[in-house]
Amino acid sequence: NAGVTQTPKFQVLKTGQSMTLQCAQDMNHNSMYWYRQDPGMGLRLIYYSASEGTTDKGEVPNGYNVSRLNKREFSLRLESAAPSQTSVYFCASGVAGKNPTYGYTFGSGTRLTVV
Amino acid sequence: RKEVEQDPGPFNVPEGATVAFNCTYSNSASQSFFWYRQDCRKEPKLLMSVYSSGNEDGRFTAQLNRASQYISLLIRDSKLSDSATYLCVPTGGFKTIFGAGTRLFVKA
Repeated sequence: NAGVTQTPKFQVLKTGQSMTLQCAQDMNHNSMYWYRQDPGMGLRLIYYSASEGTTDKGEVPNGYNVSRLNKREFSLRLESAAPSQTSVYFCASGVAGKNPTYGYTFGSGTRLTVV
Repeated sequence: RKEVEQDPGPFNVPEGATVAFNCTYSNSASQSFFWYRQDCRKEPKLLMSVYSSGNEDGRFTAQLNRASQYISLLIRDSKLSDSATYLCVPTGGFKTIFGAGTRLFVKA
């Protein structure tokens, strides 16, 4: 099925380890996003990419880096994981600009635990 | 003031009931408006867009009041499968803010 694919679905890291979360979409969307969701909380925007070749910080970018590899793929890297980064990470894509009208499609999430 | 304010609930309603959710937003530059639903431990899924003229999709009706910066969602004839968290999402540009949503439990 067309949509947004995230890998891995689950991950346990030790403090200080690094890892990259992968996201790919096949809907030809121009914009892609990384959010994190902590228990009982709303989604918080980490980084976004308005179009291929551009990335920008969201609300909570510290401790993360991103790469928009091409139009389809947008990865999120944790260089030195900390327990505070334990969360569920969602990737999303959409057709966005001055007037986004179609909403976002989300991947199924990566559940990350840092011990 | 939070960018998006929703009653967190939970709303506990019996099957067949009508339930309404309200949402206020602070960014007057918001241009598009959506309701998403999120099931427990799942990703948010787009439920419907919201227009000033109001729009209906089966048992769901959404309404936008730009002057009051207020969005509503009405669910008629609630089903057990409607149990979820409902997120009100005003957007403008790329930094879309999602609130924590309103939890709905529909009981048999």
